[in-house]
Amino acid sequence: DSGVTQTPKHLITATGQRVTLRCSPRSGDLSVYWYQQSLDQGLQFLIHYYNGEERAKGNILERFSAQQFPDLHSELNLSSLELGDSALYFCASSSGVRGVGETQYFGPGTRLLVL
Amino acid sequence: AQKITQTQPGMFVQEKEAVTLDCTYDTSDPSYGLFWYKQPSSGEMIFLIYQGSYDQQNATEGRYSLNFQKARKSANLVISASQLGDSAMYFCAMRGSNTDKLIFGTGTRLQVFP
Repeated sequence: DSGVTQTPKHLITATGQRVTLRCSPRSGDLSVYWYQQSLDQGLQFLIHYYNGEERAKGNILERFSAQQFPDLHSELNLSSLELGDSALYFCASSSGVRGVGETQYFGPGTRLLVL
Repeated sequence: AQKITQTQPGMFVQEKEAVTLDCTYDTSDPSYGLFWYKQPSSGEMIFLIYQGSYDQQNATEGRYSLNFQKARKSANLVISASQLGDSAMYFCAMRGSNTDKLIFGTGTRLQVFP
């Protein structure tokens, strides 16, 4: 158990809908990262928040947004869902002390299926 | 641009034997970190081991060790005394000094047989 929690574990929805994925980082961690894992794109970085502020954006679609709240939990909002958004969405957390050796610990993921 | 290459889509190993999973990387960053993660069929990503570009010694963590060859830009994972529970996908990842994100390879599926 990494200490990172994600809810829900599974999500089935229809095209055009909107969903919210939730993540609670490990105790004491200030950084939260979101990644998407799909069969065709592999593991891709979406966005990084540090202590409530957006720090970096990756291949995140405009239909997707995220935020980190004062209690440090984070939410990833996916709207106008398409079939291609079906994927495993991971949240990871780290201490936030910048350095190449800073390990990111991953949550169990949310498996999203868009029908 | 940074890139991780894992050329072995699948590997088989017999229980109790050692296995090496290959990882090569490309970066112009003088400082970087290399990570290995395990993803069992249940889906979670489990951190295994880390190697820094300036580390003089190869990293080890229990049955996991990293064969780091900087000049060849390779960071192969060695699993000794394989166990059935080692069957999983293994991902190599890199982080540069100017970025917070991890760049992942495509993974290697390891199957351990009795």
